[in-house]
Amino acid sequence: KAGVTQTPRYLIKTRGQQVTLSCSPISGHRSVSWYQQTPGQGLQFLFEYFSETQRNKGNFPGRFSGRQFSNSRSEMNVSTLELGDSALYLCASSQTVSGELFFGEGSRLTVL
Amino acid sequence: QKEVEQDPGPLSVPEGAIVSLNCTYSNSAFQYFMWYRQYSRKGPELLMYTYSSGNKEDGRFTAQVDKSSKYISLFIRDSQPSDSATYLCAMHGAQKLVFGQGTRLTINP
Repeated sequence: KAGVTQTPRYLIKTRGQQVTLSCSPISGHRSVSWYQQTPGQGLQFLFEYFSETQRNKGNFPGRFSGRQFSNSRSEMNVSTLELGDSALYLCASSQTVSGELFFGEGSRLTVL
Repeated sequence: QKEVEQDPGPLSVPEGAIVSLNCTYSNSAFQYFMWYRQYSRKGPELLMYTYSSGNKEDGRFTAQVDKSSKYISLFIRDSQPSDSATYLCAMHGAQKLVFGQGTRLTINP
């Protein structure tokens, strides 16, 4: 059974640009969560989607947005990138809302 | 003050040692307690999951929860170089899941 797949794995952007990250959950999993991981702040919750609806949202500015498609695949977008957005962005899928999380390997974003 | 506090380390111990990793928390609403392991360049994976106060064993790993002190621990017996990773505690309650910062652990052969 394939795990959670995130693309791209690495990317470099400059300040002011925008970025879209993609996540394909484990087959059958309908919940997708996104986290930002940095050395100083650790793992911080961005948002959770279930059946195309955002169920929970963390304390991030409106520049961070996401969506989920009918096949449970999810994308997150960050607009007007700032240096502080450099981080590892992790996607996790679960069968239910707040169920056991299965993480992907992450997308490492560097903002110059 | 963070809801979950975890010493980021790094922690370095010799092979075979007993490792103790700890987290404290402030939110009494947390009811479920988890430990995740994250290898370099990988996503976290669930290692152990507990609900109540007390101990839970799984092979060389023991998770301990003390709700009265708001303190959880993970013990690793007979540590191996393959245990070298970052260990994150996580707590769930009041409809949210909060992670600790993670402790980077190195087991030296």
